[in-house]
Amino acid sequence: QKEVEQNSGPLSVPEGAIASLNCTYSDRGSQSFFWYRQYSGKSPELIMFIYSNGDKEDGRFTAQLNKASQYVSLLIRDSQPSDSATYLCAVNGDSNYQLIWGAGTKLIIKP
Amino acid sequence: GAVVSQHPSWVICKSGTSVKIECRSLDFQATTMFWYRQFPKQSLMLMATSNEGSKATYEQGVEKDKFLINHASLTLSTLTVTSAHPEDSSFYICSAGGGTVQETQYFGPGTRLLVL
Repeated sequence: QKEVEQNSGPLSVPEGAIASLNCTYSDRGSQSFFWYRQYSGKSPELIMFIYSNGDKEDGRFTAQLNKASQYVSLLIRDSQPSDSATYLCAVNGDSNYQLIWGAGTKLIIKP
Repeated sequence: GAVVSQHPSWVICKSGTSVKIECRSLDFQATTMFWYRQFPKQSLMLMATSNEGSKATYEQGVEKDKFLINHASLTLSTLTVTSAHPEDSSFYICSAGGGTVQETQYFGPGTRLLVL
């Protein structure tokens, strides 16, 4: 059974600081890694994806992948109150477009 | 790109009635669509996966006769909640995958169902 683990939080970070969200996965053969953001009462939206070891930056967001440690993280620089949401980590499954989901980490940015 | 719509966004119905929710991929062809349910303060729960032209695959514990899924075209999937009861009240979200740059799921805005 493939699993994705995330700390449920809440993770509280002061405004302007770096928020660091972490995720581990069980299947060493996983190829694709995704971060989704879900605001309260809304559906998830894709914010980052990463396929290769190392860092990938997109604006204030950086995704980091370490396949040897089976670890993927999301860094949010200059955190804003609007970043307060639940962040879902997902890893590709065996079937087309199937994703294995973590339970999500609730992030709270304190003004 | 990769826009998914859902209709209706809100539905209130009486116990025992059936409710149909539509999910459309607006700017890509969705070979695979997924239906999720989410209760307040809980995680997404995958209900079923459907491929265009094929029968849906339901997750363990999801009643296929109660939650009817039809994926008749590459842009439309429907979920029908038959004989809805108050315990079916939830947030139903569809997602679609296929024909996009990133091989992943894109979500519709969700449908809130309240069964009285």
